[in-house]
Amino acid sequence: EDKVVQSPLSLVVHEGDTVTLNCSYEVTNFRSLLWYKQEKKAPTFLFMLTSSGIEKKSGRLSSILDKKELFSILNITATQTGDSAIYLCAVEAVAQDAGGTSYGKLTFGQGTILTVHP
Amino acid sequence: EAQVTQNPRYLITVTGKKLTVTCSQNMNHEYMSWYRQDPGLGLRQIYYSMNVEVTDKGDVPEGYKVSRKEKRNFPLILESPSPNQTSLYFCASSPRPQRVMQFFGPGTRLTVL
Repeated sequence: EDKVVQSPLSLVVHEGDTVTLNCSYEVTNFRSLLWYKQEKKAPTFLFMLTSSGIEKKSGRLSSILDKKELFSILNITATQTGDSAIYLCAVEAVAQDAGGTSYGKLTFGQGTILTVHP
Repeated sequence: EAQVTQNPRYLITVTGKKLTVTCSQNMNHEYMSWYRQDPGLGLRQIYYSMNVEVTDKGDVPEGYKVSRKEKRNFPLILESPSPNQTSLYFCASSPRPQRVMQFFGPGTRLTVL
């Protein structure tokens, strides 16, 4: 059974701090790892990682994947109150339906609740 | 605007009363999916659909039904809701099955008393 574990489950910091969120996984037929940000609504896509060692960056957010050790980290530097959210890690595996058609199946971690205080 | 819409956004109902949560996307996506989100468990897939008239079970399909008669719509049906189906539900879509889910609906918060 595919498994994705995030840590910590909850984190409280002050504005300006740097945070590191962790995601470890065990899946069969790995294709990619994704990070989503969820505020009081639907998850919104942040990054997709497919190769080890290549950092993806968007503003103050960055992420990297280690396919050998089966984990990823999401870094947020100079945090702001607007970064408060649940951060979800999901791993995409190649699966097949009953008819033999392949598709991308996502397995999500529990999420990390980040709270940034002013 | 490209989007996934769900209705209703909030619903309180009683055990056993059939309900349907609608999901619609305007991006001509082939691949659609339903998830439920519960504290400490993340999002879990209920059902998915690769195209019109093609649906299959996800990880937690018990107590749910779906249909895909048109490409844009993918309703979730609870024939006889029970309290353990109280949850936050998300519909999601993707251009095709080989592409990951990047478009999520706004969510439906369901409470079954």
